[in-house]
Amino acid sequence: SQQGEEDPQALSIQEGENATMNCSYKTSINNLQWYRQNSGRGLVHLILIRSNEREKHSGRLRVTLDTSKKSSSLLITASRAADTASYFCATDLDLYSGGGADGLTFGKGTHLIIQP
Amino acid sequence: DTGVSQDPRHKITKRGQNVTFRCDPISEHNRLYWYRQTLGQGPEFLTYFQNEAQLEKSRLLSDRFSAERPKGSFSTLEIQRTEQGDSAMYLCASSFGQGDEDEQFFGPGTRLTVL
Repeated sequence: SQQGEEDPQALSIQEGENATMNCSYKTSINNLQWYRQNSGRGLVHLILIRSNEREKHSGRLRVTLDTSKKSSSLLITASRAADTASYFCATDLDLYSGGGADGLTFGKGTHLIIQP
Repeated sequence: DTGVSQDPRHKITKRGQNVTFRCDPISEHNRLYWYRQTLGQGPEFLTYFQNEAQLEKSRLLSDRFSAERPKGSFSTLEIQRTEQGDSAMYLCASSFGQGDEDEQFFGPGTRLTVL
């Protein structure tokens, strides 16, 4: 079963606008990661935020993490056509709190379309 | 190219046949992971290796699935007696396997179609 759930499932915006995607998860985590996937380049790691961090930035990306609500958000500012892709959150479970396997647990993803 | 590579990229087989996929991780990475991804879903963890030791297997990994990493470098994933439900993209990833920020680098995947 998948731990994370991204919201919305699909998002279409105009180029230049900001895109916000949310992720919720169920169990304690060590860190949460966001990945992008498109047909051309496969799964690409975007950013990692640790469980003791609340916000992290990388270029046009801003990630927040609220461990009390078990949720994270990914903000892409000034979107570009090349940002069109599926975005997944993935959690690295805290095994000492009853987490599962040591691989990442992915959500179903948000499909983002940037209209030119 | 020093990224994760997978071979073949596509495999079409008939139900009941055996298939084997190969993954070559980034050379200095200790950990190697296998995931499966079906259409419209995120990747699902199957198993991972720390060097040559297989340390964790998901419940998704039935007895028909076996993975090896004999020398701690490349890995193979074999599916015996394939079923139509095995049709999916099989992804390999590798990482250093240290610390709290252990980024996994993914390969392009092997797309399996079972007829």
